[in-house]
Amino acid sequence: KAGVTQTPRYLIKTRGQQVTLSCSPISGHRSVSWYQQTPGQGLQFLFEYFSETQRNKGNFPGRFSGRQFSNSRSEMNVSTLELGDSALYLCASSQDRMNTEAFFGQGTRLTVV
Amino acid sequence: GDSVTQMEGPVTLSEEAFLTINCTYTATGYPSLFWYVQYPGEGLQLLLKATKADDKGSNKGFEATYRKETTSFHLEKGSVQVSDSAVYFCALWAPNDYKLSFGAGTTVTVRA
Repeated sequence: KAGVTQTPRYLIKTRGQQVTLSCSPISGHRSVSWYQQTPGQGLQFLFEYFSETQRNKGNFPGRFSGRQFSNSRSEMNVSTLELGDSALYLCASSQDRMNTEAFFGQGTRLTVV
Repeated sequence: GDSVTQMEGPVTLSEEAFLTINCTYTATGYPSLFWYVQYPGEGLQLLLKATKADDKGSNKGFEATYRKETTSFHLEKGSVQVSDSAVYFCALWAPNDYKLSFGAGTTVTVRA
């Protein structure tokens, strides 16, 4: 059974640009969450999607957005990139909202220069 | 809000030493508790979990017991190996919150 797949693995972008990250959950998993990992702030929750709807959102500015498709794949978008957005972005999938076991992808390393 | 506090690192041990990483939590209701491990350049892997008080999670020689009275979930391993070198995260999932709250992570280095 394939795990959670995140693409791309690495990205370098310039300040002011926008970026889209992709996450394919484990087959049959319907809930997808995104987390940002930085050395200073640690692991912080961005948002959660279930049945194509954002169900929960962390404390991030509106420049961070996402969506989920009917096949449960998810994308997150960051517009007007800032240097502080450099981070490892992790996607996690679980069977449903009540299933507490989350499986993480390898992450996308975003560097903003 | 919900939060997790875990002991500061880094922790450096010799092979076959005993490892303990302390973790305490603050949460309303009855959260599920987890330990995740992150190897260099990788995402998070679930190491073990416990979903109710007095549950003991175990995996690969690691153990942790959900202690409601002390709001703790300390990770232990009796004899570490070089391959256990990684960053360990304690986390909780609170009902009706639908997200994981993580501790700051503890870097463990095991020397041969």
